Amino acid sequence: DTEVTQTPKHLVMGMTNKKSLKCEQHMGHRAMYWYKQKAKKPPELMFVYSYEKLSINESVPSRFSPECPNSSLLNLHLHALQPEDSALYLCASSQGITRGGANEKLFFGSGTQLSVL
Amino acid sequence: GNSVTQMEGPVTLSEEAFLTINCTYTATGYPSLFWYVQYPGEGLQLLLKATKADDKGSNKGFEATYRKETTSFHLEKGSVQVSDSAVYFCALLNSGGSNYKLTFGKGTLLTVNP
Repeated sequence: DTEVTQTPKHLVMGMTNKKSLKCEQHMGHRAMYWYKQKAKKPPELMFVYSYEKLSINESVPSRFSPECPNSSLLNLHLHALQPEDSALYLCASSQGITRGGANEKLFFGSGTQLSVL
Repeated sequence: GNSVTQMEGPVTLSEEAFLTINCTYTATGYPSLFWYVQYPGEGLQLLLKATKADDKGSNKGFEATYRKETTSFHLEKGSVQVSDSAVYFCALLNSGGSNYKLTFGKGTLLTVNP
């Protein structure tokens, strides 16, 4: 199994809603990532978890709250989002986060297309 | 800081044409270089990579050579297919530190017509 599975594929929410994005991998990877991708732009790193602990937060607003319940799961909790937060949210995983060999390969999910009304 | 510059798209080619997508980078140290591909409606997939100068990455007929003297990592394919239509991202990972952060170029949209 070399897949990163994200659910839901599409999500529409209002600015007062609370929703969660989910990501799952069963490759034994110990690093997991959230990226945000606006249309026709490259992905932007949001968060990195390593061994279930938050390793990197790229100054993301607190209305985005990540959670890593175990080594296979990564969630992104959304609350009080703004229309400009509409984007494709990509989850990724890798063996580890230190440089070298196989650790450098990121496996991406297909993303959740989020629309905030 | 790190940066990646790749040619502006979109690029439109006929099937079996030769493809080049230019990519140059700025980085301190000795970065690893990557090409990722994103098909419509999907996430990114690693296409190929090179970890040191003069390395050639190759996959599915695509090739790119790590040129330190010109700080370049141009993507080439001798004969493109309709199924190669996608967005291609050049990226680098710097050797400094233990944190993992890819720096992406802006992406190049390739459309291959039959």
